Amino acid sequence: GENVEQHPSTLSVQEGDSAVIKCTYSDSASNYFPWYKQELGKRPQLIIDIRSNVGEKKDQRIAVTLNKTAKHFSLHITETQPEDSAVYFCAASIGPGGGADGLTFGKGTHLIIQP
Amino acid sequence: DAGVTQSPTHLIKTRGQHVTLRCSPISGHKSVSWYQQVLGQGPQFIFQYYEKEERGRGNFPDRFSARQFPNYSSELNVNALLLGDSALYLCASSLAPTALQYFGPGTRLTVT
Repeated sequence: GENVEQHPSTLSVQEGDSAVIKCTYSDSASNYFPWYKQELGKRPQLIIDIRSNVGEKKDQRIAVTLNKTAKHFSLHITETQPEDSAVYFCAASIGPGGGADGLTFGKGTHLIIQP
Repeated sequence: DAGVTQSPTHLIKTRGQHVTLRCSPISGHKSVSWYQQVLGQGPQFIFQYYEKEERGRGNFPDRFSARQFPNYSSELNVNALLLGDSALYLCASSLAPTALQYFGPGTRLTVT
């Protein structure tokens, strides 16, 4: 089955700086890669996703890049703000619904924005 | 439009007991998936149901079972609870198995 590795486990950046979180996956059949933000005690919220026919996608301060050959994808947050502090999860699957194997998540990155 | 709802919000059980968790999907959504999120980890896939049939199962023991009702709501059952079953149980609904999933708020289960 799919295996997703996520790094780093904790990332501390100064407010206004950029943050980058990286993930690798193992199953070449995966073609859907979402990123979730989870605040303490809350549900995971989808913030951006990318499909395998696209190399990069942007939404305001957030961008995701995908390298299918190397089987890795990254989340980039620019001009970080205090409200960006949360745990971020990457995931991989054959499609948005997860298919028979569901979404496979990484272990998460705790992003801390220092004022 | 109401989002995915789950009940109860929290519960505490003792080892060896049984628990039933409930999920109501977004109106019009016919697929429900269940995930277990242990503290400090990412969610782990347990089951996916669509049109009342199991469409996928993750690597969980037979103590875990689920079902989906004609109104597309779903129950997750866990028998013979272990301390390691303590987790946030998330339900996600989607229009179909291949469509985007929306997570509910979760049920926090504590096993003592």
